[in-house]
Amino acid sequence: GAGVSQSPRYKVAKRGQDVALRCDPISGHVSLFWYQQALGQGPEFLTYFQNEAQLDKSGLPSDRFFAERPEGSVSTLKIQRTQQEDSAVYLCASGGRWRTEHSPLHFGNGTRLTVT
Amino acid sequence: GNSVTQMEGPVTLSEEAFLTINCTYTATGYPSLFWYVQYPGEGLQLLLKATKADDKGSNKGFEATYRKETTSFHLEKGSVQVSDSAVYFCALLGAAGNKLTFGGGTRVLVKP
Repeated sequence: GAGVSQSPRYKVAKRGQDVALRCDPISGHVSLFWYQQALGQGPEFLTYFQNEAQLDKSGLPSDRFFAERPEGSVSTLKIQRTQQEDSAVYLCASGGRWRTEHSPLHFGNGTRLTVT
Repeated sequence: GNSVTQMEGPVTLSEEAFLTINCTYTATGYPSLFWYVQYPGEGLQLLLKATKADDKGSNKGFEATYRKETTSFHLEKGSVQVSDSAVYFCALLGAAGNKLTFGGGTRVLVKP
């Protein structure tokens, strides 16, 4: 595709439900990042993949958050037993090369998650 | 750890006014510095970058100079247009690792 695609665009979940957010990166991009952006704040790093390997998951706020990229392309961010504090926009970004400074990150439009 | 601080908005300007958005950072080593922009309804996109001290990044009339002595990367544009209305994010990439650390964003509104 022409850019990074995220789905769904909006998700409303009741507290305690599990959700799965999908990211389709630009074809051939090796690096993939997930960020969480609370209202009025800057994006906060969650996790990073290089191809199918999850190299850094230091930003995941709890063990309720899980991300995978099994074939090195599409990635899914799963949140179990959602809480109200999980309400945010979840951004996915992909890059063509390993080092971000050498290759601009391309961001998707995000999934806005609202937990009621 | 790494951190980025940028001026809070919103910043409201008239067309053709001069824009400055301040950004300072804390990092170990020598990070790379970036400005990203988010136009209404769109995803974040890279505006400009600088990878070493004294480098100047520029794009679309915007400029920012990597100042190591003041740990700053202020964004400037000499004459803004209505189409520059957006949220601007300063970010750094640490010397180690591969993740961007973002500031809180500054909303800019340019009025005709």
